[in-house]
Amino acid sequence: GEDVEQSLFLSVREGDSSVINCTYTDSSSTYLYWYKQEPGAGLQLLTYIFSNMDMKQDQRLTVLLNKKDKHLSLRIADTQTGDSAIYFCAESIRGYSTLTFGKGTMLLVSP
Amino acid sequence: EADIYQTPRYLVIGTGKKITLECSQTMGHDKMYWYQQDPGMELHLIHYSYGVNSTEKGDLSSESTVSRIRTEHFPLTLESARPSHTSQYLCASSAHRDSGNTIYFGEGSWLTVV
Repeated sequence: GEDVEQSLFLSVREGDSSVINCTYTDSSSTYLYWYKQEPGAGLQLLTYIFSNMDMKQDQRLTVLLNKKDKHLSLRIADTQTGDSAIYFCAESIRGYSTLTFGKGTMLLVSP
Repeated sequence: EADIYQTPRYLVIGTGKKITLECSQTMGHDKMYWYQQDPGMELHLIHYSYGVNSTEKGDLSSESTVSRIRTEHFPLTLESARPSHTSQYLCASSAHRDSGNTIYFGEGSWLTVV
């Protein structure tokens, strides 16, 4: 069965890099996603990566995918206080109509 | 940018009342979803739809019901609200494209049952 695991909490100082990690179990994942949720809001799609890619960079965001270890990470460079939010990892599995979400990582950025 | 709208955003109702949470999307997406989100953050899929006249139950059993009479509209109804229904409800939609089954979310409806 599918399962997506994330650490629950990460605290960094403003200006540092943040790395949020995620592991998944289903090797038939086709796409992997990172969503951001700010307080009182819905989930906002940040970025996604196709499973045949190793890395994707989008401005301050870098996604790394290690398919052998089924490990996905999101690196945020020069983290700002506005990056404080909950970050969800999700996988799309071939043949399934829905995404499987992790439980979310709360990122706290202190000045 | 996703165009998916939920109303009401915040609602406090009494036990036993009937409530319908509205969700509309203007993107022409076939698939729509309802998630319930715990205070502890975890998302639970409670209903989804492949298209008009299609409704399916999700991973978490729910006492709510849904309907899909129009592509753009996917309302969720609680016939008799209870305090255990207090939660945030997130509506979402998707269409299979180059980015896989990317799901776009609304802003959420916060329901408190007293």
